[in-house]
Amino acid sequence: GENVGLHLPTLSVQEGDNSIINCAYSNSASDYFIWYKQESGKGPQFIIDIRSNMDKRQGQRVTVLLNKTVKHLSLQIAATQPGDSAVYFCAEILRGYSTLTFGKGTMLLVSP
Amino acid sequence: DGGITQSPKYLFRKEGQNVTLSCEQNLNHDAMYWYRQDPGQGLRLIYYSQIVNDFQKGDIAEGYSVSREKKESFPLTVTSAQKNPTAFYLCASSGTSSRETQYFGPGTRLLVL
Repeated sequence: GENVGLHLPTLSVQEGDNSIINCAYSNSASDYFIWYKQESGKGPQFIIDIRSNMDKRQGQRVTVLLNKTVKHLSLQIAATQPGDSAVYFCAEILRGYSTLTFGKGTMLLVSP
Repeated sequence: DGGITQSPKYLFRKEGQNVTLSCEQNLNHDAMYWYRQDPGQGLRLIYYSQIVNDFQKGDIAEGYSVSREKKESFPLTVTSAQKNPTAFYLCASSGTSSRETQYFGPGTRLLVL
């Protein structure tokens, strides 16, 4: 069935680099997207969201880009820090629904 | 502090035993959710509830049961019918519009003895 997935299971970067985590989705009815950060043994933490009527949204050190033409979502983290090391999930909500569908996650490893 | 609490942090189940995981929220959210996470995997929806005294099955409801008698509470029971219960269980809550962010609790890790 249609689902949300990620291209890279693990991303290793150096402290201070910019990180880009990608997510592909296949359902054109996807209406709302959320990025979560999950540290080991903890619950997912909300990072940033974007609605389908937007192309870009910025937060503190993070930017989410949405390309509806190719059904692609990315999370950019500026000046990555060791504390950013975690698994990052994208999730989607279909138009008219209230439940989230999660991708499998990408692990970000930041070396000092 | 506003938030979602889950207890216990770790739970051990014996063969044939039912166990109940607690989830409480004081965010005044109408909707609550239970997810299961297996190692290296994403989250899969077990059950969700959008209003008191009503709940719906998610993608993997077999072997689980829930109740929603109070707005603040959404306990999950892992029954003996769930043959592979070892996992990390996450509870979340949100508003009920179609674009509401879900906020998660700290999780309960269930292990089988």
